[in-house]
Parts: sequence; structure tokens; C-alpha cells
Amino acid sequence: GAVVSQHPSWVICKSGTSVKIECRSLDFQATTMFWYRQFPKQSLMLMATSNEGSKATYEQGVEKDKFLINHASLTLSTLTVTSAHPEDSSFYICSATARQGLYEQYFGPGTRLTVT
Amino acid sequence: AQTVTQSQPEMSVQEAETVTLSCTYDTSESNYYLFWYKQPPSRQMILVIRQEAYKQQNATENRFSVNFQKAAKSFSLKISDSQLGDTAMYFCAFIDGGATNKLIFGTGTLLAVQP
Repeated sequence: GAVVSQHPSWVICKSGTSVKIECRSLDFQATTMFWYRQFPKQSLMLMATSNEGSKATYEQGVEKDKFLINHASLTLSTLTVTSAHPEDSSFYICSATARQGLYEQYFGPGTRLTVT
Repeated sequence: AQTVTQSQPEMSVQEAETVTLSCTYDTSESNYYLFWYKQPPSRQMILVIRQEAYKQQNATENRFSVNFQKAAKSFSLKISDSQLGDTAMYFCAFIDGGATNKLIFGTGTLLAVQP
């Protein structure tokens, strides 16, 4: 149980275009989802927290207009990187918490974004 | 501010040996949770073990155990009988018992298990 999927697992896009990453909780309802960014050989950096049906809360320094987060249902959150640039290339990971055991996060497998 | 510190960027251990990864944290909260996550080359984050701060007993999961020293704010991970599949980045993480549910990660320790 407690499986989180991400799609796509790997995406290449041209500079200036937008790309959407999906995060789904497959066997539980996720009241809260988190989006992280990870650079090579570094730790996870929290970008934003999203609750179903409400606006995401962004961490300091994260551009809201560049990284659009939508948590439309209890099983789906999306991260859209708008007007992508090469410096947005990174590994993006989502996680989710279930209704019970709110403190435990279940992680998706991550999405590698390369902007050319 | 709540912080998590892992002072060992890299470690190496021989197969079948025991290794201990260090982690310290700083918080003024009394109710919190601590985790060790493993990130193998696939980059999938895997929960290894967790500890509730109110529990005095150290958590154990098969070959993995922790030494939780609340007063010292220390939370080390011991891996016994190391296996090649244990090769991964290990992250210590903290979450308070409040409303934010934000995980605070350490910088990670890259563990290499040598055959």
C-alpha cells in the first residue's frame, strides 16, 4: 500500500516551453502533497506544499509563477514548470501524506527534467 | 530554526560488517518524529526506519536500528550485516508534531558497501 506515482519519469523540453509533471497517490487519498527539487548529490529541497482544493504554499525563494502547483483532487497534484530554462533542469520528487499517520510521507519515483 | 546535520558526507563498509551513520538535529519542539530514508541509484526514496520522540525505546527494523538520544538530540542509524544492496544515499529527516508536516532533511551520507 501507499504507492505514489509520477509521470513522466523523464522529460526533455526546449527552453521557453512549459512542462507538466503529475503526481498520483494510487491506493490512498492524499490530503497533502509536497514537491521537492533535488540537484545531483544533494539533499531534497522542499519547493511547496499543496492541500487538496486550496492554493499551494511555496517555500521562500521559489517562484510561484514559474512553478505552478495544482492539487485538484485527493489523488492528483500537478507541477507545471512554465517558460522553462536550462537552470530549471533538475530532479523533481513529489510525496504525499494520507489521512491517517499524517506525519509519514510516501514518495514518488521522481521526474528528471532536462531543458535544452 | 529546526535543522538536521549529517556530518559524514561519505562512508564505506565491507560486506557483512556493521556501520553507523550519524545524525544530529536541533529543535525546541517536544513532540516530533525522526526518520532515516534511503535513496539508491534509482533515486526512489525509501523509508528505512522511524522514531517517535515520545518513545524511549529505540526503533528496530531487521538489520537496521537507531540509537536515539533525545537529550543529546542525536539519532544515529546502525546497519548490521551490510549488504551490497545497502549502497545508497542515506538521509536523516525530522518532522515536528505540529500542523506543517514539513520534512526537514539532512545533507545525506553516501554509503558504499564494498564486496
